Amino acid sequence: DQQVKQNSPSLSVQEGRISILNCDYTNSMFDYFLWYKKYPAEGPTFLISISSIKDKNEDGRFTVFLNKSAKHLSLHIVPSQPGDSAVYFCAASHTYSGAGSYQLTFGKGTKLSVIP
Amino acid sequence: NAGVTQTPKFRILKIGQSMTLQCTQDMNHNYMYWYRQDPGMGLKLIYYSVGAGITDKGEVPNGYNVSRSTTEDFPLRLELAAPSQTSVYFCASSIDGRSYGYTFGSGTRLTVV
Repeated sequence: DQQVKQNSPSLSVQEGRISILNCDYTNSMFDYFLWYKKYPAEGPTFLISISSIKDKNEDGRFTVFLNKSAKHLSLHIVPSQPGDSAVYFCAASHTYSGAGSYQLTFGKGTKLSVIP
Repeated sequence: NAGVTQTPKFRILKIGQSMTLQCTQDMNHNYMYWYRQDPGMGLKLIYYSVGAGITDKGEVPNGYNVSRSTTEDFPLRLELAAPSQTSVYFCASSIDGRSYGYTFGSGTRLTVV
């Protein structure tokens, strides 16, 4: 039972345009959402997060939007750069998971390719 | 700034062998985690620890064991390796698992033949 879903395995975008990566979740207990970026042969790197009390969070070129009623979040990258080419993972946690351990549940990832 | 260090980076094991994947962090984080990533899949939690001396099972703990004797170290033990344990293993730590997310190591690629 996949609680965090990234339905697009891959996405190609022209340099300078907007990249939109999508993520859906099924567990209504999730109250914190994160995006990670992963390059080959490296560990995932934290990118941006959002609490369920917000519907938008921005950090430079990266913006995450949360639609709680639809159980959907998205990551916007504007403008996209070739260095953004990587696999992006959506992750979610809830306060009461595992004795306050804030375990993360990950999606399968979306491979973003930014074409120069 | 070492962050989270995992060793070894690569390893080939024969079926039935055992090994320990090492993980150490220098950020004084209380929370530590072991995840595995199979091809085309997301990361799945094996074990986690909320502090020295405290560990608990995650989603896929079978075939693994952990210990946490110090804040810095969180080794993962594989007993009687099986082909199904062929995967990339990531260790991570966090200060609160929320605002700052996790800091991951670079991974250990394990093949069981």
